[in-house]
This record gives sequence, structure tokens and C-alpha cells, in this order.
Amino acid sequence: DAKTTQPTSMDCAEGRAANLPCNHSTISGNEYVYWYRQIHSQGPQYIIHGLKNNETNEMASLIITEDRKSSTLILPHATLRDTAVYYCIVRSDGLTFGKGTHLIIQP
Amino acid sequence: GAGVSQSPSNKVTEKGKDVELRCDPISGHTALYWYRQRLGQGLEFLIYFQGNSAPDKSGLPSDRFSAERTGESVSTLTIQRTQQEDSAVYLCASSRKTAVTPVAYGYTFGSGTRLTVV
Repeated sequence: DAKTTQPTSMDCAEGRAANLPCNHSTISGNEYVYWYRQIHSQGPQYIIHGLKNNETNEMASLIITEDRKSSTLILPHATLRDTAVYYCIVRSDGLTFGKGTHLIIQP
Repeated sequence: GAGVSQSPSNKVTEKGKDVELRCDPISGHTALYWYRQRLGQGLEFLIYFQGNSAPDKSGLPSDRFSAERTGESVSTLTIQRTQQEDSAVYLCASSRKTAVTPVAYGYTFGSGTRLTVV
């Protein structure tokens, strides 16, 4: 599985869009990009995944660069409940989590 | 079941005792994963099952750790002679997996077992 690099922490104002970057420069052609988040004391929660095209669901949007070496998770209108650790992972088989980005939504 | 179920949710054990942690995956999910998360740390991969086989045991931290899965369903993670550094939340996840690659399915995690070794 390709490794990912994410900032350790980020702040975002409530109501604004939160943009979480992830670098995965060693990604191979058949590896998907997944985003999960973990709210304190809970198990990780699936957010979104994609291969090449940008994806959107009720939780978030995923923007993947054309060369697929990086992606951005967008929470369009962040709320206080979005404060969590966000994990970007790349997998073909197996699953490796890094330390993620601790996103703090400020009131 | 509707989700991944783990039991017990909390376990306090004395150093040196053995513990068994159980995971019931979503019915029909052939892939099952165990992770460990120490306080303030990211998720640490332990072991992965495809069906009842474990092709990747590389994450098991020592020979005190073992896991098995039967009937392509329930999995048990066993820690023998527990040490204080084993204290963590142990998370289980399951996923559909077909013979076709690339694998495109997400994972569903359980709520974890919080293990405290005193």
C-alpha cells in the first residue's frame, strides 16, 4: 500500500469549508484513496473514497489531482461535530493508517 | 448483523493474564482486520484475514499475540501474558472483498475493546 502524508493538525472556523490535504505520491494505478474520521472514543467512520474522478456524497467532497499524487477532502460547512482525526489512506489490499490530521472546528 | 460487533467493550486485566477479544463482522464480509490504537496514537495494523486465512500477520507485535477466524465469521484476538504496554483500544473492521481487483469497498469498524492491563 502507498504511504500517505497529512498535516498533524488544522483549525477551521465553524460554518466555513474545511480543506484537508493528503499527499500520496507513490500511489499506483489500481489503488483507491479512502478517507475516514475518528471522533474521540469512537471507531473510525468511513467518509468517502475515489480512484480518479472527484467524488461527492452527503458528508464531503473528494478532489483527486490529475496525477493522483495528492487529494483534498472538503467538508463544505464545518460544524463543531466535525472535530475529529481524519485519516487518508491508500489501498489496493490491506489497510495502513497513518496518524491523520486532527481537525479542530473553532466556534 | 447490521454492524461490526466487538466484545467485551471494556476489559481490565492483571499483568500476566491472558485475554481474548472477540469480533463479529458484518455477515458476508470476507475480509476482517484487527487494529490497535494506543492513547493519543494512530491506528496500528495487527492482522488481516481473507476468509479464514491470515495472509498478513506482519503487524502482530510479538508472539504473545495470536488471532484466528472460523466459519469466515467470528474472529478472536488472543493476548497471552499481558503487559502494561498492551493497554489500548483494539479495533476490528470488516470489508467485502471479491476476486476482482482493484478493491473498491470501504470498511466498517466496530466500536472497539478498551483493554487496560494493571
